[in-house]
Amino acid sequence: AQTVTQSQPEMSVQEAETVTLSCTYDTSESDYYLFWYKQPPSRQMILVIRQEAYKQQNATENRFSVNFQKAAKSFSLKISDSQLGDAAMYFCAYNWYSGGSNYKLTFGKGTLLTVNP
Amino acid sequence: NAGVTQNPKFQVLKTGQSMTLQCAQDMNHNSMYWYRQDPGMGLRLIYYSASEGTTDKGEVPNGYNVSRLNKREFSLRLESAAPSQTSVYFCASLPGLGISYEQYFGPGTRLTVT
Repeated sequence: AQTVTQSQPEMSVQEAETVTLSCTYDTSESDYYLFWYKQPPSRQMILVIRQEAYKQQNATENRFSVNFQKAAKSFSLKISDSQLGDAAMYFCAYNWYSGGSNYKLTFGKGTLLTVNP
Repeated sequence: NAGVTQNPKFQVLKTGQSMTLQCAQDMNHNSMYWYRQDPGMGLRLIYYSASEGTTDKGEVPNGYNVSRLNKREFSLRLESAAPSQTSVYFCASLPGLGISYEQYFGPGTRLTVT
């Protein structure tokens, strides 16, 4: 079964500093995608970044980057130059094909990030 | 495009009451999903619909029913609400077939069952 583990329920960072959120997953599939979603206090789920398992190069979106270690099944999110607007719940998610026309997301339990001014 | 819309945004029910959560998307997506979010539990899949006319159970389907009314709409029904169903409910849709596609989420419905 596909599982996603976020071992840090809460993290905090000073404004302008860098923080890394951890995520590990378990799968027997060779091709899949991994996502990081951000959920601010508004509750809206926002995609931050995605990574294809077949790509060795780590994905980057502006201040957000990932460290993808396929053999270790690890997918951490690095936020550089943290801003107050980065404060949110962050979810790691694994996207997988479950047969037929069915695609599913399995989520981790989330990491609540606080940004201190 | 409004994206994925959900109604209502907030609801309070008494134990045993029934209600239907509405979800609609205007992006012509085939697949739609219902999740619940509980503190410390992440998002868990309740039901999904890969296409109009089909529905399947997810991880936590007990106590819920769904209807895929047409390609746009996917509703979630609680026949006899229980306090354990107090949660935030999200609807999502998927634009295509393939693992590269992200799901698009609605704004959520906060449901309290007393």
